[in-house]
Amino acid sequence: DTGVSQNPRHKITKRGQNVTFRCDPISEHNRLYWYRQTLGQGPEFLTYFQNEAQLEKSRLLSDRFSAERPKGSFSTLEIQRTEQGDSAMYLCASSYGSGGPYGYTFGSGTRLTVV
Amino acid sequence: RKEVEQDPGPFNVPEGATVAFNCTYSNSASQSFFWYRQDCRKEPKLLMSVYSSGNEDGRFTAQLNRASQYISLLIRDSKLSDSATYLCVVTANAGNMLTFGGGTRLMVKP
Repeated sequence: DTGVSQNPRHKITKRGQNVTFRCDPISEHNRLYWYRQTLGQGPEFLTYFQNEAQLEKSRLLSDRFSAERPKGSFSTLEIQRTEQGDSAMYLCASSYGSGGPYGYTFGSGTRLTVV
Repeated sequence: RKEVEQDPGPFNVPEGATVAFNCTYSNSASQSFFWYRQDCRKEPKLLMSVYSSGNEDGRFTAQLNRASQYISLLIRDSKLSDSATYLCVVTANAGNMLTFGGGTRLMVKP
């Protein structure tokens, strides 16, 4: 296991199109998080899963966003009817339990550009 | 007001300098504290956890003051490779979301 894997690395889409990103966490990690980061800002929390249950969602996660983790392993984040304001880096992180003193492991992110 | 506040910098320092970053957080229920490092266009990576007693890892020292809701990071003998953005991170309760500050950019010059 080489860490948290995210695909694709880059995505350019036209406004109004739907996009889906995938995150494969570290295999023994039961918690999975999605964050969004825009230029010059720190990452902002979107949602998190414990196993397959989505336990918390940020108000940033509008109705156009949906996330799933169907079998408690990989997760997908879908954005419908993309807008230019959705352009950002989407980061996935995983942890086992609370993450403890070791924090969380982040993937390399998916950079979305909406044109 | 943001939950976690940091001076965005940039801090421009010469090699060998000592530099300190500060961070304040607003949620008194925050339980876990971290410093992450983020290189340009890369993902954040854990630099160190921060404990109430303070902790040191080589050239890096982190301090936490719960009463003042204040976290610091000290980097001694700065290297060119320390150039990055340093993110202050807190969690409100065990295992939930990380709340990031906006980051402080450090540039170490020869």
